[in-house]
Amino acid sequence: RKEVEQDPGPFNVPEGATVAFNCTYSNSASQSFFWYRQDCRKEPKLLMSVYSSGNEDGRFTAQLNRASQYISLLIRDSKLSDSATYLCVVNMGLDDKIIFGKGTRLHILP
Amino acid sequence: GAVVSQHPSWVICKSGTSVKIECRSLDFQATTMFWYRQFPKQSLMLMATSNEGSKATYEQGVEKDKFLINHASLTLSTLTVTSAHPEDSSFYICSASGDRAYEQYFGPGTRLTVT
Repeated sequence: RKEVEQDPGPFNVPEGATVAFNCTYSNSASQSFFWYRQDCRKEPKLLMSVYSSGNEDGRFTAQLNRASQYISLLIRDSKLSDSATYLCVVNMGLDDKIIFGKGTRLHILP
Repeated sequence: GAVVSQHPSWVICKSGTSVKIECRSLDFQATTMFWYRQFPKQSLMLMATSNEGSKATYEQGVEKDKFLINHASLTLSTLTVTSAHPEDSSFYICSASGDRAYEQYFGPGTRLTVT
């Protein structure tokens, strides 16, 4: 099993729709989880951290399921500007080793 | 937020030459800097981790003699691609962090093309 795994997509979603994608991780000792957003040919930017209790930031909701070892990102009322690649990032807890998923490509259609 | 710059933003070089890429943290002291490589349509791949004043720790499969990393100060790290070959063409991104490694601030990246 890969350390961090994401569905590469692409997810083609009409504007205004709700979309969700998951990321699974293999190491149950992983301590910190994040979603990054990367636009084409740009560097990744932190979108949000994922807390155990789940957290929400505007249209974005992140959740952690430790039992099943996955995190999720939900985007409501999607905008054209949400089109990007969303990277799942896991801090493995060993020497703060960070593992990036391969990313999920999201295309919001007008 | 914290700002990280990279220079150059893009470079084209001939096979066999060496290229140096600089990564600077502009408004904070970076205890740790990371170097990533990203090939088209692929994920970021961590190449090495460097702490100021120490030798870099390279990931498995990354040749330390080919990718020389220097982290001489808390605000500057450099990556030198020695004897570059076309297969080294990639997007190189650095990131910097302060006390907590998972709070990484990324540079804008350097696109290297080796002809």
